Amino acid sequence: ILNVEQSPQSLHVQEGDSTNFTCSFPSSNFYALHWYRWETAKSPEALFVMTLNGDEKKKGRISATLNTKEGYSYLYIKGSQPEDSATYLCAFQGGSEKLVFGKGTKLTVNP
Amino acid sequence: NAGVTQTPKFQVLKTGQSMTLQCAQDMNHEYMSWYRQDPGMGLRLIHYSVGAGITDQGEVPNGYNVSRSTTEDFPLRLLSAAPSQTSVYFCASRSPPSPGDGYTFGSGTRLTVV
Repeated sequence: ILNVEQSPQSLHVQEGDSTNFTCSFPSSNFYALHWYRWETAKSPEALFVMTLNGDEKKKGRISATLNTKEGYSYLYIKGSQPEDSATYLCAFQGGSEKLVFGKGTKLTVNP
Repeated sequence: NAGVTQTPKFQVLKTGQSMTLQCAQDMNHEYMSWYRQDPGMGLRLIHYSVGAGITDQGEVPNGYNVSRSTTEDFPLRLLSAAPSQTSVYFCASRSPPSPGDGYTFGSGTRLTVV
């Protein structure tokens, strides 16, 4: 069974803080790594899909990096805002459409 | 812009009853998947489809059937509901090629089996 680990499990930051969290995944049979943002009472929303080792993607204040050789990805949020409060999910894709999700990092940004 | 539509939003079933969770998308997406979300667990893949007439099992397929007769629809059938199937179910879709832009998720169906 594939293991996708996310840390920390939860995180509380103040408005304006920058923060980051980690997704660890198997380094073998890698095809893609997905990041999703999931706000309470809504559905998961795709942020990034990353495929290449060393890849870095950015959307506004959110960015992500990928290291496929060691099996990890970082998600960074610069200058956190209360509206960034959500659970951030990563999912490992190993060559088919079978995605394996981590349990998520729950971010709370206090005003 | 309907996206991925799931019905019903809420359902209570008695043990042993059967039902179908509906999922429809209007984005002409080839790939569709069903996930379940349980407390303390990540989203777990039940079944997926890469096109009409093609389905495959995910991580937790037991107790569920799927079919994909059209590109738009991907229903999930519970043949004989069990309390262990109490969960929130999400349908998701996306276009090829893989991996593309990630999946678009429906709003979920909250199922309780008593």
